[in-house]
Amino acid sequence: DGGITQSPKYLFRKEGQNVTLSCEQNLNHDAMYWYRQDPGQGLRLIYYSQIVNDFQKGDIAEGYSVSREKKESFPLTVTSAQKNPTAFYLCASSLAGQTYTGELFFGEGSRLTVL
Amino acid sequence: AQSVAQPEDQVNVAEGNPLTVKCTYSVSGNPYLFWYVQYPNRGLQFLLKYITGDNLVKGSYGFEAEFNKSQTSFHLKKPSALVSDSALYFCAVRTLGSGANNLFFGTGTRLTVIP
Repeated sequence: DGGITQSPKYLFRKEGQNVTLSCEQNLNHDAMYWYRQDPGQGLRLIYYSQIVNDFQKGDIAEGYSVSREKKESFPLTVTSAQKNPTAFYLCASSLAGQTYTGELFFGEGSRLTVL
Repeated sequence: AQSVAQPEDQVNVAEGNPLTVKCTYSVSGNPYLFWYVQYPNRGLQFLLKYITGDNLVKGSYGFEAEFNKSQTSFHLKKPSALVSDSALYFCAVRTLGSGANNLFFGTGTRLTVIP
């Protein structure tokens, strides 16, 4: 079955450590996204990528980094510079382009807790 | 600028009764509107969308939504609620011609269906 796989589902980190969240999709989508979800807030875009080897900052990119070396993969690194990293992180994918009118497809999420 | 408002943080409804989850939006241009549902510790699942055409759109699990341009609303409805409909619901909007990275989410409405 096609879909998006995020790992790990739960992750604990000590302050000052970098962590990397994995996102893999087999939907053959060009575009991939990382969102952050906090209680009582909507999803906020961290980074997105429309094509391999290219990515753009979203609304809250500070303290995060990404790479897009393969079409299927879009890992997110939460660096020690992120001041409040405890959150639920969601990866999504879609077809690319301004004319795309469809929905995003989401993974199951990764919950990061900083101790 | 675009925005989405979900005026109710919480909606409670008795099983078998009709349910409505409200959404209003603000965009400069024609809107693409979406509803997603999220179960605890899971990713978002697409329910339905409005792009153009009939103002009443039907989606998954018996849900429907009505696009009202004059009131800039896109309320989610279901004629008869099920306990299994209990979840967090997100409305989202982007404008015609913008990329999917420009999707703006509301803060979510928690629906509880009481047996």
